[in-house]
Amino acid sequence: GESVGLHLPTLSVQEGDNSIINCAYSNSASDYFIWYKQESGKGPQFIIDIRSNMDKRQGQRVTVLLNKTVKHLSLQIAATQPGDSAVYFCAENFQGAQKLVFGQGTRLTINP
Amino acid sequence: NAGVMQNPRHLVRRRGQEARLRCSPMKGHSHVYWYRQLPEEGLKFMVYLQKENIIDESGMPKERFSAEFPKEGPSILRIQQVVRGDSAAYFCASSPPTGLYGYTFGSGTRLTVV
Repeated sequence: GESVGLHLPTLSVQEGDNSIINCAYSNSASDYFIWYKQESGKGPQFIIDIRSNMDKRQGQRVTVLLNKTVKHLSLQIAATQPGDSAVYFCAENFQGAQKLVFGQGTRLTINP
Repeated sequence: NAGVMQNPRHLVRRRGQEARLRCSPMKGHSHVYWYRQLPEEGLKFMVYLQKENIIDESGMPKERFSAEFPKEGPSILRIQQVVRGDSAAYFCASSPPTGLYGYTFGSGTRLTVV
């Protein structure tokens, strides 16, 4: 069945370090992926996306890597700040459907 | 430019009552999506609507749940005869006619069934 999963449910990093959040997806037909950040009591906030014809995309302090061979997605956050504390979700879209399949989420906490 | 507006933010209902959740999409967006999020879980797709049409309701429970997006006014997610298992955060998202790009979520409605 369709599923998007995360390797680590929680991640704790030191302020200023780089964070890497991983995601595995099972549907090789997925062709569009999005990372969302969700702070407590709020809705998911778009961070960065990537299409399946790319293997890397960079934004401001964030990079998404896509490895289609092993169906793996990662989000790298450079110089992690206290404001990065949140739950991060990967989501996939496949077959042109107008819906997203979300993973469980990884909670990122920042140590001062 | 207001984002996706959902109300109420918090809703408490007793078992057996009805819950009505409202969502106004972003200006210029004609596609609306509803998702449900249980505590410590990811969002689960429920339904996708365009004005006056349900396009995909594959994630909607077969009973008690319904959704609409009328020609005028917000989209409504309606839950009849609520049970405790319906307690969750319900998020609405909207997108422009071009599809997923610009997919934006609202702040959600937290439903508590007591």
